[in-house]
Amino acid sequence: RKEVEQDPGPFNVPEGATVAFNCTYSNSASQSFFWYRQDCRKEPKLLMSVYSSGNEDGRFTAQLNRASQYISLLIRDSKLSDSATYLCVVRGGSYIPTFGRGTSLIVHP
Amino acid sequence: DTAVSQTPKYLVTQMGNDKSIKCEQNLGHDTMYWYKQDSKKFLKIMFSYNNKELIINETVPNRFSPKSPDKAHLNLHINSLELGDSAVYFCASSQDSGGYEQYFGPGTRLTVT
Repeated sequence: RKEVEQDPGPFNVPEGATVAFNCTYSNSASQSFFWYRQDCRKEPKLLMSVYSSGNEDGRFTAQLNRASQYISLLIRDSKLSDSATYLCVVRGGSYIPTFGRGTSLIVHP
Repeated sequence: DTAVSQTPKYLVTQMGNDKSIKCEQNLGHDTMYWYKQDSKKFLKIMFSYNNKELIINETVPNRFSPKSPDKAHLNLHINSLELGDSAVYFCASSQDSGGYEQYFGPGTRLTVT
């Protein structure tokens, strides 16, 4: 099993749709979790950290399920500008950051 | 006032050459990283320094040598470049080596011909 796994997609959704991504991780000792966004030919940019209690930032909601070892990202009311690759990052007990391969999102008019 | 900067942005060179990439952060962070993103877009950590000390050294050929003159700078020197070294190299920094978020530089696109 890979350390951090994501469905590569692409997820093709219309504007205004709600879309959710999951990311599973294998190391049960993982401590920190993040979602990043990467646009084509650009650097990854932090979207949000994922807290045990879950957290929300505008249209974005992140959740952590430690029992099933996955994190999720929910995007409500999708915009064209949300089109990007979404990367999950997991930092294990040694805090080495491991990136998933990313999930591609395409929002169309 | 760029937070994490890298130079050069593009690097085209021939096999067998030696090249360096420089990274600087002005965030006051203690920890810096080098990542490689290959053609399949997989982002893999190579090295990390915490306050000038090497703390992460993943399975990377020893042709790659990082150097941190101070905690705001982390350079990457690559000897005897090979075709497979072609990739985008990202520098990043975080507050420290714990579970903090990382901030990335704009990347250096290396092409080896």
